[in-house]
Amino acid sequence: EAGVAQSPRYKIIEKRQSVAFWCNPISGHATLYWYQQILGQGPKLLIQFQNNGVVDDSQLPKDRFSAERLKGVDSTLKIQPAKLEDSAVYLCASSLAGVRAGPPPDNEQFFGPGTRLTVL
Amino acid sequence: TQLLEQSPQFLSIQEGENLTVYCNSSSVFSSLQWYRQEPGEGPVLLVTVVTGGEVKKLKRLTFQFGDARKDSSLHITAAQPGDTGLYLCAGHYNQGGKLIFGQGTELSVKP
Repeated sequence: EAGVAQSPRYKIIEKRQSVAFWCNPISGHATLYWYQQILGQGPKLLIQFQNNGVVDDSQLPKDRFSAERLKGVDSTLKIQPAKLEDSAVYLCASSLAGVRAGPPPDNEQFFGPGTRLTVL
Repeated sequence: TQLLEQSPQFLSIQEGENLTVYCNSSSVFSSLQWYRQEPGEGPVLLVTVVTGGEVKKLKRLTFQFGDARKDSSLHITAAQPGDTGLYLCAGHYNQGGKLIFGQGTELSVKP
């Protein structure tokens, strides 16, 4: 079974530029997550989708970050304009069950390899 | 603010030594997970604990969930270079709630 795919794997941009990341979750997974992992820290949830609806975007900096999952399958995360402090690894994860599922294995999250963003 | 604190943050040991990593919170978890993350990869789930006092073993790794469900530990026996990586604890404070990660423990096992 194919895992979570992300692209690009690496991106270097200058501050104030725009960037977009793409994620293709595991086939059939209802829930998709975007995390930000700053060097030396654990992942922090940015946004959670169930199918094509947003479940939680409380920690998404909405003035510059946006995300969509229009057809309930793959998703894009965009930053516009980027700041130096956005340098991080952006991880996408997916899980089979929906929001009201119990603990794993029901809602086990499977992570992609991440996109490492460097903002100069 | 719900915080998950891990200790130590860095650990460098020789092959064959034992080690323990701790994960603590002031709040009660509904479930807690341990992940391992290698450079350039996403975290991979090692174990989930749900019941207070629960102990789970995965080969040389032993995971314990505190009786009050506020803390957990990961013990590795006879560490090997292949155990090198970032170990993350993460918890759900309520069922269906988001997963909160600790800052991680960077483990280096030297041959």
